[in-house]
Amino acid sequence: NAGVTQTPKFQVLKTGQSMTLQCAQDMNHEYMSWYRQDPGMGLRLIHYSVGAGITDQGEVPNGYNVSRSTTEDFPLRLLSAAPSQTSVYFCASSYSLWTEETQYFGPGTRLLVL
Amino acid sequence: QQQVKQSPQSLIVQKGGISIINCAYENTAFDYFPWYQQFPGKGPALLIAIRPDVSEKKEGRFTISFNKSAKQFSLHIMDSQPGDSATYFCAASMGSGGGADGLTFGKGTHLIIQP
Repeated sequence: NAGVTQTPKFQVLKTGQSMTLQCAQDMNHEYMSWYRQDPGMGLRLIHYSVGAGITDQGEVPNGYNVSRSTTEDFPLRLLSAAPSQTSVYFCASSYSLWTEETQYFGPGTRLLVL
Repeated sequence: QQQVKQSPQSLIVQKGGISIINCAYENTAFDYFPWYQQFPGKGPALLIAIRPDVSEKKEGRFTISFNKSAKQFSLHIMDSQPGDSATYFCAASMGSGGGADGLTFGKGTHLIIQP
């Protein structure tokens, strides 16, 4: 299994541009989520999904959209990038909410918004 | 409002020593407390986790101590090795596994083990 994969690894955007961060997992996990990591802030939950067609907001959802059309993919969209969205973004997945299965994190996407 | 407070922010330990990282939480609904290890350029990876029905869990050189009444938990790394140098995050969630609201993370501890 490839586990959780994220693309791109690094991206530079100009303010106002849009882009989609891709996340895919091949473990048939129902639960997927997006976090952002900022220096000295730990990781903060942006959006999550408990299954295909079901998404909800986390702690810091403003400026981000998500959709979950398949079990495998959970893209994160920035509609109009802002410098405050400069961060490292991690996608995570787990088999279920209701088991001891932990979340597996992808390698991250480093985003710089100028 | 920060729900999981982690200390220290950075820690330097000599090889062979004991590394101790502490976390305190506020929300009594939390019932799953994992620790994650992150190396530079990598995503966090689960190290060890505990549920509040036990006071201690040990896996190899890593031990979680849990004090439910004080709402505190800590990670102890025995016989610390240079390969343990990484950033460590404590976390908490409601519900088993990730929880519907995901994991609430501490701000992290940058651990350096000096040879």
